[in-house]
Parts: sequence; structure tokens; C-alpha cells
Amino acid sequence: ELKVEQNPLFLSMQEGKNYTIYCNYSTTSDRLYWYRQDPGKSLESLFVLLSNGAVKQEGRLMASLDTKARLSTLHITAAVHDLSATYFCAVDLFYNTDKLIFGTGTRLQVFP
Amino acid sequence: DVKVTQSSRYLVKRTGEKVFLECVQDMDHENMFWYRQDPGLGLRLIYFSYDVKMKEKGDIPEGYSVSREKKERFSLILESASTNQTSMYLCASSFSAGNNEKLFFGSGTQLSVL
Repeated sequence: ELKVEQNPLFLSMQEGKNYTIYCNYSTTSDRLYWYRQDPGKSLESLFVLLSNGAVKQEGRLMASLDTKARLSTLHITAAVHDLSATYFCAVDLFYNTDKLIFGTGTRLQVFP
Repeated sequence: DVKVTQSSRYLVKRTGEKVFLECVQDMDHENMFWYRQDPGLGLRLIYFSYDVKMKEKGDIPEGYSVSREKKERFSLILESASTNQTSMYLCASSFSAGNNEKLFFGSGTQLSVL
């Protein structure tokens, strides 16, 4: 059974600080997704990582994938309040099916 | 932009009622999915469909069924609603499997079963 674990589950950080969210998964997969969810809203796609060593960056967020370690990271640089949201990673259960298994989510709160 | 529309934002039903949750996408996507989201559990896949009239069970199909009579519409059915089905339900779609496509999500239906 594929398990996708995120940590931390909750993250409270000060504006301007850096931090990393970790996503571990338990079986082989080379497709990993990161989504963002604002309170009361639906999920918005952030990154699609398709191969070992893939790195993608947008603004203050950078995601990477290490398929050998079965680990993806979402790094936050110089956090701002607008990044406050819940972040989910998701892994393709079977190769090329779009059937995603989601992690439990990391709730990020950025304060002044 | 791709639009995935869920018919109700909030829904309150009584135990034992039959409940229909509707989802429509407007981009001719082949794949459609139903997830439920619960605090501390993330999103869990209930059912998905790769084509009209096709359906496959996800991780937690018990107590649910689905219908896909048209490509753009995917319905989730709770045959006899129970309180443990109180949850946020999210519909999603993607173009086709194998093209590394991200999922597009609807805004969700918060279902309360009393």
C-alpha cells in the first residue's frame, strides 16, 4: 500500500525566514505533484515533478524530487504572509494513471 | 481556463437519505475523480473514471457509487447517507492518463449528514 507522509503537519514561521516541507512516499514513483489550498478554497496545482533530480521554482517556492530516496521537498525562501495555506504533495499510485495519493498536508502560517 | 464545477458548495442531509453530488468539467477531459477531504487525513480517492460509463474504485469506495453517462459529468452517489460521510468532497479532472497532466479541482462540496 502506498503511503505518502508529509512533515511537519503544522508550520508557523516568521516572515523572511526559510523552511522546508518534506514529503516521503513508500513505493516507487517518478511523478510527484505539489498543490496549494487556501482556507475554504479548492486545490491549486503548484508543481509537477516528473523525474529524479527534477527541480522547479516559482517565486519563493522551490520543489525537488529524489526518486531514489522517495523524497520530495518544498522549500520556502523568505516567507511572506501570502504563502499561508495548506500544502499537499501527491504521488501517482500506478505509473501514468493520474490516480494520485495525497499526503496529509502541511498547514503553513506565516506571521509578521 | 479549465473549469470544474460542483453543483453545491454546502449540503445538509439526513441519515438514510440518498445524496447526489454532481461535477461537470468543460475541457473535454477524459479522466474524472472524486476525493473526500478530512482534517488530518488529507485527500482520499473514492472513485475515478477514465471514460464514459467506466469507473474504478479508489481507496475508500464503501458506501459510495458513481455514474458517468456523459464525458463532462461525473456524479457521486451516497446510497444511504451516514454521519461518517460528513466531509468535504472534491471533484477533479485531467486530460488523459499518461500525459503527465495535473489534476484540476472543483471548489468542493461540504456535506453534513445529520
